[in-house]
Amino acid sequence: DAKTTQPPSMDCAEGRAANLPCNHSTISGNEYVYWYRQIHSQGPQYIIHGLKNNETNEMASLIITEDRKSSTLILPHATLRDTAVYYCIVTQSQGGSEKLVFGKGTKLTVNP
Amino acid sequence: DGGITQSPKYLFRKEGQNVTLSCEQNLNHDAMYWYRQDPGQGLRLIYYSQIVNDFQKGDIAEGYSVSREKKESFPLTVTSAQKNPTAFYLCASSIERTAWGGYTFGSGTRLTVV
Repeated sequence: DAKTTQPPSMDCAEGRAANLPCNHSTISGNEYVYWYRQIHSQGPQYIIHGLKNNETNEMASLIITEDRKSSTLILPHATLRDTAVYYCIVTQSQGGSEKLVFGKGTKLTVNP
Repeated sequence: DGGITQSPKYLFRKEGQNVTLSCEQNLNHDAMYWYRQDPGQGLRLIYYSQIVNDFQKGDIAEGYSVSREKKESFPLTVTSAQKNPTAFYLCASSIERTAWGGYTFGSGTRLTVV
């Protein structure tokens, strides 16, 4: 099971900011939060990651709370092409080996 | 352009037949992975390989086999022992296994067993 909790779905109007929340209350001090997204019937695409400071790149911003138990991915001006499933991921150790675990994510629908 | 290519995009097979899915990358990545995705679900790891001639089982390896004879190629065979093979299969690669933000995925193969 994933170490993160996300709402199953969200809607956003085109041109508005999309704020996607994620809870990761059991995150360890040296674990990063990663965000990927998957457009229908394609492979996931890396968006952004962070440890404790807020991060921004050309795709999105990542806001991580001071206690690191939750974060928010922000798409500042959502377009119809941003409709996708967004995965918030914290790596997991299993059998001594770390791995990425993709949960069910949040299905974001951007409406015209 | 560098990338990862999966073929074919759609595959139909009769029950009881083995089938091999192709995955090729020209990114010079050492690590490669196979994931399975069922409708409305997340991705589950089938197998991964960190280096040529080495691979490890993931969470759902039963009924699947892989090989890694070349750095660029990581084919997946879905055998007749896989009880429910119909799914969307995704191949990925990364420069190393722990490059968690650097996974590059192919566009997937949708396998339907009839």
